[in-house]
Amino acid sequence: DARVTQTPRHKVTEMGQEVTMRCQPILGHNTVFWYRQTMMQGLELLAYFRNRAPLDDSGMPKDRFSAEMPDATLATLKIQPSEPRDSAVYFCASGFTGGKEHFGDGTRLSIL
Amino acid sequence: GDSVTQMEGPVTLSEEAFLTINCTYTATGYPSLFWYVQYPGEGLQLLLKATKADDKGSNKGFEATYRKETTSFHLEKGSVQVSDSAVYFCALILNRDDKIIFGKGTRLHILP
Repeated sequence: DARVTQTPRHKVTEMGQEVTMRCQPILGHNTVFWYRQTMMQGLELLAYFRNRAPLDDSGMPKDRFSAEMPDATLATLKIQPSEPRDSAVYFCASGFTGGKEHFGDGTRLSIL
Repeated sequence: GDSVTQMEGPVTLSEEAFLTINCTYTATGYPSLFWYVQYPGEGLQLLLKATKADDKGSNKGFEATYRKETTSFHLEKGSVQVSDSAVYFCALILNRDDKIIFGKGTRLHILP
């Protein structure tokens, strides 16, 4: 079965450091989503792309977060500088317009 | 705005008990409705879906019926197993859109 692949699975770093999370969507999918999951907020949509174009990043703190799709096989989510409140599990998902999303296993991020 | 409301957890049941997790939605237009399941340490997986009123989605013994008159999509299972312990998310996609809107999730514990 095709899968969405996220790296790294776990990341522990000190506040102020840059964090880059990567996602390889399923080949052929035209939408990519980044979510953040915390106990308090549940799943929050941070950004999404259709055909590699960013369509909505209103859920993302723009001063420190950035999301890009340099090509169809790679999506990145960067945090610079990182803060302890960014600690969460970050999920990438890909899919087709109007259809179900396939989720990766997430990156568990801890900012000390 | 468009939203999904599901019952708060955790829900704790004994094995072989009957399960209902309530989900209601608010949407302009005619959404497709989904239940996703998240097992510990993993991403979300699609459990079942329904795309129009009165459709019943089913998978792995779980069922949910799209009720337009009550704007609901309650998840049911007749006899739960310990392996059903997970977090369950109700969600909708508006057919004009890519974005999936999730409820906050309901954690389910099944005791042997």
